[in-house]
Amino acid sequence: EDKVVQSPLSLVVHEGDTVTLNCSYEVTNFRSLLWYKQEKKAPTFLFMLTSSGIEKKSGRLSSILDKKELFSILNITATQTGDSAIYLCAVVSGNTGKLIFGQGTTLQVKP
Amino acid sequence: DTGVSQDPRHKITKRGQNVTFRCDPISEHNRLYWYRQTLGQGPEFLTYFQNEAQLEKSRLLSDRFSAERPKGSFSTLEIQRTEQGDSAMYLCASSTGTAYNYGYTFGSGTRLTVV
Repeated sequence: EDKVVQSPLSLVVHEGDTVTLNCSYEVTNFRSLLWYKQEKKAPTFLFMLTSSGIEKKSGRLSSILDKKELFSILNITATQTGDSAIYLCAVVSGNTGKLIFGQGTTLQVKP
Repeated sequence: DTGVSQDPRHKITKRGQNVTFRCDPISEHNRLYWYRQTLGQGPEFLTYFQNEAQLEKSRLLSDRFSAERPKGSFSTLEIQRTEQGDSAMYLCASSTGTAYNYGYTFGSGTRLTVV
């Protein structure tokens, strides 16, 4: 059965800290891996990763995929209170484009 | 067209009642997906349409659930004889389905509470 596992499930840090969120997967017919941020409503897109070893970067956020070891990490540097959210990892499986989500990591950034 | 619209935003219903949700995707998106998200969990795939054809359904979609996408435009998700376990956020998403570019746009969701 296809599975996506995120760790940790929750994390509390202080502003300015750097955090690393983990996502491992076991999925047949892997297409790509996506990271989303969710704040009490619909998930908003952060990154799509399809190739191993190529870092995607957007401001203080970055992500990389390892297709050999079947995992991805999401890094957030110099965290701010506005980064507090649930971070979801999802894998696109098969030709239908359906997403298989992990449980999410709840990040709380304290002032 | 500003994005994916879902209606209603919130629905409270009594156990045993039927409910119907609507999703209006981005007009040029031919792929439409429904997901369900319960508290503390990531969204779970329910069903997928390409144009008007329902091409995949999750085992989560019991016979009390039915979805349609007439004419390949908006979609409806109906739950019959609701149960308390159906309480969740129901998310709709659409995409163009370009190979390796499964960029989704999610709607804001319908939050269902069954009392």
